[in-house]
Amino acid sequence: EVQLVESGGGLVQPGGSLRLSCAASGFIYSSYWMSWVRQAPGKGLEWVANIKRDGTDKYYDDSVKGRFAISRDNAKKSLSLQMNNVRVEDTAVYFCARGAVDDSGNYCFDNWGQGTLVTVSS
Amino acid sequence: VLTQSPATLSLSPGERATLSCRASQSVGSNLVWYQQKPGQAPRLLIYDTSKRATGVPARFSGSGSGTDFTLTVSSLEPEDFAVYYCQQRSHWPPITFGQGTRLDIK
Repeated sequence: EVQLVESGGGLVQPGGSLRLSCAASGFIYSSYWMSWVRQAPGKGLEWVANIKRDGTDKYYDDSVKGRFAISRDNAKKSLSLQMNNVRVEDTAVYFCARGAVDDSGNYCFDNWGQGTLVTVSS
Repeated sequence: VLTQSPATLSLSPGERATLSCRASQSVGSNLVWYQQKPGQAPRLLIYDTSKRATGVPARFSGSGSGTDFTLTVSSLEPEDFAVYYCQQRSHWPPITFGQGTRLDIK
């Protein structure tokens, strides 16, 4: 059974930093792209970042580019999101998700963790 | 941009639900649907317009192509009342979602 368990959320002040983690199990982790998707309270889903199987390619939404960094450790089956210079509008539940990529590079999310809440407030 | 309609749909168990997702440019058949229940993570329902994900009941079906897509639930069960999001999987980055359709019990 695929399991994705996020941790690291909490309260952080504007301009501060936070590191989210996701522990994966139940599948061959190194064979999959991985992603972060967030959801502000009462709002819809917003993609944050993707990372390729071997960690060589990374993609970000413009809203977080230059502030957030996605990384992975295939040996530890873990995914991370380093969040720097956070803003009030970054307040959201952050989901770790497994990427499903077809031969044409089309991307969706086939398994999701339960999420971790990040609150940015002074 | 993906636009879902209606924003809210109020139906009774046993009724048929039809949810729409319209793309601002053609996405071919690369359209995905997710279901999200309160306090839960999203769940992949349909990918590539009409392919059901593992374990998804046959009462869920998807159709469409290009810019207009539909998710149909043939006969609503109590557990189907949730929020549904569409996502285009071809033109990325960025990966974009629709704003969601809330399916409420009437």
